[in-house]
Amino acid sequence: EPEVTQTPSHQVTQMGQEVILRCVPISNHLYFYWYRQILGQKVEFLVSFYNNEISEKSEIFDDQFSVERPDGSNFTLKIRSTKLEDSAMYFCASLTPGSLGMNTEAFFGQGTRLTVV
Amino acid sequence: AQSVAQPEDQVNVAEGNPLTVKCTYSVSGNPYLFWYVQYPNRGLQFLLKYITGDNLVKGSYGFEAEFNKSQTSFHLKKPSALVSDSALYFCAVRDSGAGSYQLTFGKGTKLSVIP
Repeated sequence: EPEVTQTPSHQVTQMGQEVILRCVPISNHLYFYWYRQILGQKVEFLVSFYNNEISEKSEIFDDQFSVERPDGSNFTLKIRSTKLEDSAMYFCASLTPGSLGMNTEAFFGQGTRLTVV
Repeated sequence: AQSVAQPEDQVNVAEGNPLTVKCTYSVSGNPYLFWYVQYPNRGLQFLLKYITGDNLVKGSYGFEAEFNKSQTSFHLKKPSALVSDSALYFCAVRDSGAGSYQLTFGKGTKLSVIP
């Protein structure tokens, strides 16, 4: 069964450093997402990406964050200057629209646990 | 704006008993509703969805959920709980008419099945 893969599974970084989280979505999917889950809290939407551009983003997704699909298979999330409060589990997801539009389920990766120290 | 409420932080049930995990939602249009399960240190796994049609939908691992439009609810159910069902369960909604591509999740309900 096809799956979304994320690397690394765990990343520890110093405050102020840049990090890049990587994802390989399911190959025939068209929409890509990043979500995050701070420990013990709800899963929060960060950004959606379609046709090589951001289609929607949340208030969390400020100028520190950027996304890219550099080579047609990878989908990356960059955090330019990490803060302690960026520590969270980051999930990548992908989907492809169904016959009724956006009625299909998103497939999630296993997540990258980012720890900022 | 779309939102989801899961009123219970934790649900405890004895193995073999029926389980219910509650979810209510708010959208301006018609809802697309989803349940996901998260096992410790794992990602989110899709369980089932309601898009249109029959209000009772069946999903993976014997789970089902009932869509109730008048109560704006989408409770997850299983007739006989297994210890292996112990996990964190998330309800999510997408507004079909809002032109939004994002899922909005509830805060999650921790299900503990006691042997």
